[in-house]
Amino acid sequence: AQKITQTQPGMFVQEKEAVTLDCTYDTSDPSYGLFWYKQPSSGEMIFLIYQGSYDQQNATEGRYSLNFQKARKSANLVISASQLGDSAMYFCAMSDYTGTASKLTFGTGTRLQVTL
Amino acid sequence: DGGITQSPKYLFRKEGQNVTLSCEQNLNHDAMYWYRQDPGQGLRLIYYSQIVNDFQKGDIAEGYSVSREKKESFPLTVTSAQKNPTAFYLCASSIRQGASFGEQYFGPGTRLTVT
Repeated sequence: AQKITQTQPGMFVQEKEAVTLDCTYDTSDPSYGLFWYKQPSSGEMIFLIYQGSYDQQNATEGRYSLNFQKARKSANLVISASQLGDSAMYFCAMSDYTGTASKLTFGTGTRLQVTL
Repeated sequence: DGGITQSPKYLFRKEGQNVTLSCEQNLNHDAMYWYRQDPGQGLRLIYYSQIVNDFQKGDIAEGYSVSREKKESFPLTVTSAQKNPTAFYLCASSIRQGASFGEQYFGPGTRLTVT
């Protein structure tokens, strides 16, 4: 079974600073995907970034980058130059590629608060 | 604009009543999913469907039922057998990419309260 662990219930960061949100995972499957989603107070889940288990380079999307360390089974999200609009819940998720639709397993989330 | 719509945003029901949550997508995505979110927790998968007229149970399917008669629609029924139905329900969809599926895109969610 797959498992995602997010050990930081809440984080604070000052505007314009960088912040790292931690995510560790556990799986016995050789092929998997790792995702980060943002959930603002409105409730909608917004896709941020994806990393495949066979990807050699860390994924980047604008101010978001994923620090993928396969041997340590970690997939931390780095947000550079934080903005007030980044305040939200952030969820790490993993999918399996066992031939069916890619079911996601989610962590419990980290609440990020960006301050002035 | 393409996207996923869920209606209504807030839903109130009395205990013992079945209730159906709507999910429609115009993204031409192949797979659709239903998740449940409880306060302070991540999302848990209820049901998913990768093709019309076919669906599979997720991790917490008991007390729920779904149908997939059209590619665009994946309604979820919360039955009276669901012991703790009050939660935030999110629908998602993803496109087939070869043998696998791409990232999931989510609707705005329906907050169900049962008293």
